[in-house]
Amino acid sequence: GQQVMQIPQYQHVQEGEDFTTYCNSSTTLSNIQWYKQRPGGHPVFLIQLVKSGEVKKQKRLTFQFGEAKKNSSLHITATQTTDVGTYFCAGTGGGADGLTFGKGTHLIIQP
Amino acid sequence: EAGVTQSPTHLIKTRGQQATLRCSPISGHTSVYWYQQALGLGLQFLLWYDEGEERNRGNFPPRFSGRQFPNYSSELNVNALELEDSALYLCASSLAPGGLQETQYFGPGTRLLVL
Repeated sequence: GQQVMQIPQYQHVQEGEDFTTYCNSSTTLSNIQWYKQRPGGHPVFLIQLVKSGEVKKQKRLTFQFGEAKKNSSLHITATQTTDVGTYFCAGTGGGADGLTFGKGTHLIIQP
Repeated sequence: EAGVTQSPTHLIKTRGQQATLRCSPISGHTSVYWYQQALGLGLQFLLWYDEGEERNRGNFPPRFSGRQFPNYSSELNVNALELEDSALYLCASSLAPGGLQETQYFGPGTRLLVL
């Protein structure tokens, strides 16, 4: 079945540093989504990417979908303490397969 | 618009008992998903229901079961509880399976503790 791998599992950064998490799928995806889960909270949808090579930005967050539609990345510029949480990617091959979530990257920010 | 709701928020059971968790999706959403999130771990997919039918199932034993009602709400049942079943159980809903409309909206979760 479809597998979505996400690295790193944990990332410690100093406040103000950049952060990147990477997502790789074993199969070609029809779309990829990113979610954020704050400590003690539930996952919240951030964005969806559909097109090959697509890049989308949300303020300090940049999301990218690979040309082959098998990988994606989330980059945060100049992290702030409010960015703390776990970032999940989730991909779908379409049809009845549904979304497959990566294990998530825990972002820890040291002030 | 009300989001996904789950009940109860917390549940304490002992080994061998049964637990029933409930989820109400966002109005108009037909798909409901259940995930288990053990402490510090990612989302482990449990079950997916759409239009009252089980569409897919994760790698969990048969004592994890559920159903979806005609109003699209859903129940997750866990029989013969084991200590390692202690986790946050998240329910999510989406408009429809497949295609571009699979954004999942998560509820606040039910925290199950098995003693």
